[in-house]
Amino acid sequence: DIQMTQSPSSVSASVGDRVTITCRASQDIISLLAWYQQKPGKAPKLLIYRASTLQSGVPSRFSGSESGTDFTLTINTLQPEDFATYYCQQAKSFPYSFGGGTKVEIK
Amino acid sequence: QITLKESGPTLVKPTQTLTLTCTFSGFSLSRNGMSVGWIRQPPGKALEWLALIFWDDDKRYSPSLKSKLTITKDTSKDQVVLTMTNMDPVDTATYYCAKLNYYDNNVHAFDIWGQGTMVTVSS
Repeated sequence: DIQMTQSPSSVSASVGDRVTITCRASQDIISLLAWYQQKPGKAPKLLIYRASTLQSGVPSRFSGSESGTDFTLTINTLQPEDFATYYCQQAKSFPYSFGGGTKVEIK
Repeated sequence: QITLKESGPTLVKPTQTLTLTCTFSGFSLSRNGMSVGWIRQPPGKALEWLALIFWDDDKRYSPSLKSKLTITKDTSKDQVVLTMTNMDPVDTATYYCAKLNYYDNNVHAFDIWGQGTMVTVSS
């Protein structure tokens, strides 16, 4: 099974900051990684698929990148509505697996 | 517009069987390439993938829960049903169904999610 290790588990930031979240896969997942945003009491929302492709309607301040088995979600110019928990998910093979989540909190 | 909505009991007793229904609209699960999955989230914890059913009735399960889970579809009703046996308090969670979208080749992701349904396991 593929393990997804996400870091940090939480980050405090201010509006306008740049935030970076990392996800490491335990083996090669050939870019088959998605990022989701979840707000309290709500279902997750797909932000990025294929490691770096923005889902339709997602603001361009969100971006994804990869280097080997390390994947990064970057939020440029953090907005008030971006305070949420973010999850990565590998879609390379079953069983699908999610990272442990990163909570982006207001500093 | 594509929507999914989960329904089922909010409270079950330990050892009972849980049956959750995902009713969707805006797509057909009989269409080539379509699939719907279940994901759960214990309170304050991370997401956990449970099961997936494909348009051709192929199924995949989380190995750690495979003995407890059954996923089925009723294309005439546009529903996917998840059954989980021998419920335990550790199964207390919000259960989501979600549509798996195929973008190209092997690229896919859960693009549309239901609102989720909270299930508590307690005597």
